[in-house]
Amino acid sequence: NAGVTQTPKFRVLKTGQSMTLLCAQDMNHEYMYWYRQDPGMGLRLIHYSVGEGTTAKGEVPDGYNVSRLKKQNFLLGLESAAPSQTSVYFCASSYYRDTGELFFGEGSRLTVL
Amino acid sequence: AQTVTQSQPEMSVQEAETVTLSCTYDTSESDYYLFWYKQPPSRQMILVIRQEAYKQQNATENRFSVNFQKAAKSFSLKISDSQLGDAAMYFCACPNYGGSQGNLIFGKGTKLSVKP
Repeated sequence: NAGVTQTPKFRVLKTGQSMTLLCAQDMNHEYMYWYRQDPGMGLRLIHYSVGEGTTAKGEVPDGYNVSRLKKQNFLLGLESAAPSQTSVYFCASSYYRDTGELFFGEGSRLTVL
Repeated sequence: AQTVTQSQPEMSVQEAETVTLSCTYDTSESDYYLFWYKQPPSRQMILVIRQEAYKQQNATENRFSVNFQKAAKSFSLKISDSQLGDAAMYFCACPNYGGSQGNLIFGKGTKLSVKP
């Protein structure tokens, strides 16, 4: 079982460049999330989606955009990358929003120079 | 808003011994779930254990158990017979009920080292 798959796993960008992180899940989960993880900060929610065609802002949404055109995919975009966006990004999905386990991807390490 | 606090940034334990990681949380809900996740050096987040607040009995998964004190809003993780493979970051998490911030709120983590 693939579970939650993130691509790419690693990426180096220059300030001002754009890129998209792709998250795909094969568990038919309704809810999908993008978190960022920084040292000493734990995981912070960037954006989330409660179903196909829906997106909502999380705790730290500035500088990011998302789309959920298909139920199994959740894309995270950086339109103009900044060094402050250097982080490890995790995608997660769940079937139940408030009570269920989150299933995580392996993370994507992004470095912005 | 819900908050989750892990007061121990780092902990160390001798192999085969027992260690307890602390977590406190704040929620206005009466029925909720709590989670402990493990993140080894591979970076993959793995669910260790889940506790349902309405259950009196503390959850147990093999060598992992919790001490859930609902009134004190405390949710500590006990690892018995520690193994080298237990070395990892451990995150406590609570759902963000009713807010706009999605599913789980995480603590800042505790880095556990296991000495051979």
